[in-house]
This record gives sequence, structure tokens and C-alpha cells, in this order.
Amino acid sequence: DIQMTQSPSSLSASVGDRVTITCRASQSISTYLNWYQQKPGKAPRLLIYAASSLQSGVPSRFSGSGSGTDFTLTISSLQPEDFATYYCQQSYSTPYSFGQGTKLEIK
Amino acid sequence: QVQLQESGPGLVKPSQTLSLTCTVSGGSISSGGYYWSWIRQHPGKGLEWIGYIYYSGSTHYNPSLKSRVTISEDTSKNQFSLKLTSVTAADTAVYYCARVNWNGGDNYFDYWGQGTLVTVSS
Repeated sequence: DIQMTQSPSSLSASVGDRVTITCRASQSISTYLNWYQQKPGKAPRLLIYAASSLQSGVPSRFSGSGSGTDFTLTISSLQPEDFATYYCQQSYSTPYSFGQGTKLEIK
Repeated sequence: QVQLQESGPGLVKPSQTLSLTCTVSGGSISSGGYYWSWIRQHPGKGLEWIGYIYYSGSTHYNPSLKSRVTISEDTSKNQFSLKLTSVTAADTAVYYCARVNWNGGDNYFDYWGQGTLVTVSS
């Protein structure tokens, strides 16, 4: 099974900050990497698929990059609604697996 | 707009079977190019993929749960279902149904239900 590790596990930032979250796979997954945002009591929301493709309706301040084993999610200028938990997920092979999450909090 | 909605008992006794149904609207589960999946999230924890079904009836499960899981479909009702047998407190979680979009080889969960909390307790 492929293990996904995110860093950091939590992050404090301010509105307007540029934030980067990292995800590492235990083996190469090409660009089969997706990012989700989850707010308390809500289902996850797809932000980025195939490592760098922006899902329809997602603001352009979100971007993704990487291939192989190392990936990043960047939020260029944090907005109040961006404070949430973010998960990466590999879709290279089943069983699909998720990172443990990065909780983005207001500083 | 595709919508998914989970339904089923919120409380299940230990050793019994957890049964949930996901009703899909705004799209047909018989459409090619999509798989229909279950995912769970233990309280305060991360996400765990349980398995998926294709409209043809083919299924694929997480090996960690495979011996206890069955995912089935009812295309006439545009629903798919999850059964998890011999549950314990460790199966207490929020259960989500979601659509897997297969897009030229890439695949991702693009639509999710709101989730339903299932508690295993006597």
C-alpha cells in the first residue's frame, strides 16, 4: 500500500499570507495526486486533481505542483474562508490513501 | 449538478451489520466513466477509502476491510449501498459516499455526500 505523509500537520497563518503544504508518497505515483479541503462538519471538497489541475469553481489562488513522490499545494493569498483542513490523496493504485491532513489555522 | 445523499441507521450494535445507502441525483450511476465509492472518517481523524463499484457491478475493496465489506447497486433506484459486517466500536465513523471521476486515466473524488455518522454501541 502507498503511504501518504503531509507536512506540517498544522499551520498558523494570517489573511493574505502565502502558504505551502507538502505531501510525500512512499513510492512514485507520477501525477496521480489530488488535494481536498475539509471544513468542520462538512464533506471534503476537491481542489486540485492530477497534481496541478484546478477543479472547476475553485479559486485560482489555489495551485498544485509536483510529480513522483513530492507534491505541494500552495495558496497564494489566504482568505478567511481558506482556514480548514487539507488532505492529499493518491489515485495511482488501490487502496486509495490519504495523507493525515494539515490543519490551517488563523494566526 | 450531481448530488449524493447517504441514509441509514445512525446506531448499530456490536457484531451486527452496518447498512448504508447512497442515493444519487442529477446523474445516473449507470453512466460510464464513473465509479461509486464509500469513504469513512473516524472522529477527529483522517479519511479511509472503503471501496467502489462500477455500474457493471464490478467492485474493488480496501484489503483492510475486504473480508467484511460488500458494495452493491440498484440502478433502477440510482442507488448504491454499503454493508459492513461484524462491526465493533472501531467502525464508529462518519461514512461518506462519493463519485470517482475517471478522466483520461486521472481519477479523483469529485462529488461527495454530506456524510452520516454511524456509532457502534450497545
